Amino acid sequence: QVQLVESGGGVVQPGRSLRLSCAASGFTFSAYAMHWVRQAPGKGLEWLAIISHDGSSRYYAESVKGQFTISRDNSKNTVFLQVDSLRVEDTAVYYCTTVHEYRGWGAFDIWGQGTMLTVSS
Amino acid sequence: DVQMIQSPSSLSASIGDRVTITCRTSETISIYLNWYQQKPGRAPKLLIYAASSLQSGVPSRFSGSGSGTDFTLTITSLQPEDFATYYCQQSYNTPDSFGQGTKLEIK
Repeated sequence: QVQLVESGGGVVQPGRSLRLSCAASGFTFSAYAMHWVRQAPGKGLEWLAIISHDGSSRYYAESVKGQFTISRDNSKNTVFLQVDSLRVEDTAVYYCTTVHEYRGWGAFDIWGQGTMLTVSS
Repeated sequence: DVQMIQSPSSLSASIGDRVTITCRTSETISIYLNWYQQKPGRAPKLLIYAASSLQSGVPSRFSGSGSGTDFTLTITSLQPEDFATYYCQQSYNTPDSFGQGTKLEIK
């Protein structure tokens, strides 16, 4: 079945870096743009970044521009989020998501289970 | 960027009640408005896309309406499994943006 599985979260000290991964299965990954969304503890959803189906185009939220980098490896059906210069306020559950059935409407119908990133000294 | 104002931020209701959640955008977005339900510890789940279209498998007690800048999510005859947090999301412009969420609690 269509599935996204994130990994790579953990506890990291401020200022360090981490790479989050999201493995896709059950659909033609190389045909779909991919997004990252995060949710700080007790807070709402924050859209972070999008990468086009072929990796040629990327766009970031202002809050993470220059700090986060989205990339993908279509040969491995995986999208990544490189998170650098981590701050305590980057503590959140990080979700990857995609618009699978409703491409004309931008509705995120497939979500991973999320990976928790805690930034703490 | 499109700003989203969702209200109320929290809502108490009883089983069988009808509830309405609203979402207003800072600029017109046609019908590029989607609604999600999220339960604690779980990923969001798509309920409504294109303002009023029901995602496959979502009960018909959920409905959406609106266009332009004003949208509503209505749940008729609340069931125990409906108590959750609801988010609107605009997909008209990049960056996508979400409302602040509405936590629906049992009265």
